[in-house]
Formats: sequence, structure tokens, C-alpha cells
Amino acid sequence: SQQGEEDPQALSIQEGENATMNCSYKTSINNLQWYRQNSGRGLVHLILIRSNEREKHSGRLRVTLDTSKKSSSLLITASRAADTASYFCAASVLTFGSGTQLTVLP
Amino acid sequence: GAGVSQSPRYKVAKRGQDVALRCDPISGHVSLFWYQQALGQGPEFLTYFQNEAQLDKSGLPSDRFFAERPEGSVSTLKIQRTQQEDSAVYLCASSLVGGQQFFGPGTRLTVL
Repeated sequence: SQQGEEDPQALSIQEGENATMNCSYKTSINNLQWYRQNSGRGLVHLILIRSNEREKHSGRLRVTLDTSKKSSSLLITASRAADTASYFCAASVLTFGSGTQLTVLP
Repeated sequence: GAGVSQSPRYKVAKRGQDVALRCDPISGHVSLFWYQQALGQGPEFLTYFQNEAQLDKSGLPSDRFFAERPEGSVSTLKIQRTQQEDSAVYLCASSLVGGQQFFGPGTRLTVL
């Protein structure tokens, strides 16, 4: 079974819009990580947020973490066609969610 | 480049055949992980090495799956008597202890 579950499973937006993906997990964590995967490629680490942090920014990425609700969100601002990919959360180093497929239309 | 490499990138096997998938981690990375990723799903953990020691193999789905890392660098994932349900992408990742995982491109295994 997978520790994290992303929501929605698929998201389609226009270039320039913001994209928000959510992740829920089941057990206590030390940190939560978000990864991106382009079709046919391995996963690329995007950002790590520790359990004592509530929000973290990296470029156009903003991650929030609510440990009381066991949930996290990933916001991509001013999306680009190149952001089209699958996005996964990992609530521990070994367990990944099933992913959100993001499509950014030019 | 100096990233994680995997070979072959694609493998087609007939049901019942044995396959061996190779992972070359980033030089100096102590930790090495294998994951199985089915179509449309996230990676599922298979096994973890620290140097040559296999510290966790709880994710291996059956005794047909075997992984080794004899010299603490290159790792091989072997699947014996492949079944159709073994068809998936097999991802390898390496890291420093407790550090960020760097993933290889994966090997897509198709069992006919």
C-alpha cells in the first residue's frame, strides 16, 4: 500500500495558470518530499518540507504542510508547458503516492 | 553525466525467462534503492542497500526477486521465471545516507 495519496489524479490547466496538488498521508512523518516525473524518465526531487515547517518556497513552487490533517499541498505558479509531468509526494523515503498527472496546455 | 544509470532501458522477456537489471549509482553514494512502478502508479519500494548490505528487502513481491550489491557499488535486480504481472518500470535510486534520492531513468520490463 502507498503511504501518500495525491489529489486530483489528473489536472489540466492553461499556461500561466496556477496548479495545486494535494497529498494526504497516514502515519507520522519526519519530512515530506515532492517529486516530478516526466514520461519515460526517472523521478526528480523538487522540494522537501520538514515536519516542523508549515510552508516552503522554491522558485515557482510553494509547499505547505499540515501535520494535524496529515496533508500537504504543492502549488506551481505561472505554469508552463514544460511543467507537464506526473507529481508524487513521498511521506517517507520509501513510500510514494500514486501521483497527479499535470497537463499544462500552451 | 554523473547521474544514476540503468541498463537495459527496455527489456522484453517471455514468460518464464530470467532477467537481470543493472543499476550504476552515483559514485560515493552509500545507499541504493530499487522500486517497481506500474503504469499510472507511484513507485513501490522493493529493497534497500547500504554499501553491500541489504538492510531491507520487505518490498520484494516474491522469492523470484533477488537483488545484490556485492561490492557496494553496482547493483543487480534479478527476476526469475518472469510472470506477466512483473511487467513494470524498475527504478533505481542512490543517495548519501539520509540524503536526497537521485533516480535513474528506469528499466521498462515487458513480459509476454
